[in-house]
Amino acid sequence: GENVEQHPSTLSVQEGDSAVIKCTYSDSASNYFPWYKQELGKRPQLIIDIRSNVGEKKDQRIAVTLNKTAKHFSLHITETQPEDSAVYFCAALMNAGNMLTFGGGTRLMVKP
Amino acid sequence: DAGITQSPRYKITETGRQVTLMCHQTWSHSYMFWYRQDLGHGLRLIYYSAAADITDKGEVPDGYVVSRSKTENFPLTLESATRSQTSVYFCASRGDWHEQYFGPGTRLTVT
Repeated sequence: GENVEQHPSTLSVQEGDSAVIKCTYSDSASNYFPWYKQELGKRPQLIIDIRSNVGEKKDQRIAVTLNKTAKHFSLHITETQPEDSAVYFCAALMNAGNMLTFGGGTRLMVKP
Repeated sequence: DAGITQSPRYKITETGRQVTLMCHQTWSHSYMFWYRQDLGHGLRLIYYSAAADITDKGEVPDGYVVSRSKTENFPLTLESATRSQTSVYFCASRGDWHEQYFGPGTRLTVT
């Protein structure tokens, strides 16, 4: 079945620095890769996603890149702010299936 | 986000009791999902449903039962609760482009 590995599990950065979270997936047929942000005690919320027909997507300070050959994708957050502190989850959708498989999560801490 | 709701938000039950968690969405999304979230395990899929009367197992279905008689509702039942089912449960529905929207969650404690 589909497996998604996410690294690092925790990440601490200084406010204003960039943060990068990486995920690898096992099923080469996966074609949809969302990222979710979960603040403490809240629900996961979709912040950006990418499909297999593009290599990069940006939305203000966040961007996602996809390398289909290497089967990995990354979340980039620039000019980090304290409100970016949260747990971030990557996920991959199997082409033949209907389920998202989630990575284990990254706890991002932005120090003011 | 107001389009998907869960009830109750918090529940304490005893081992062996039956408990049902409710999920309701107003978007008429075909797909709905139940996840559990535990420290160290991220989000794990319990069951999902592609449409009314169509359900299928996810990664961790044992001890759970689901039904989907109406598109908007997707209840999750623990037939005989165990302490290992203490968790936060999230319901989600899926939009037209595979994006999933999560409900606010139910924090379940089994004593």
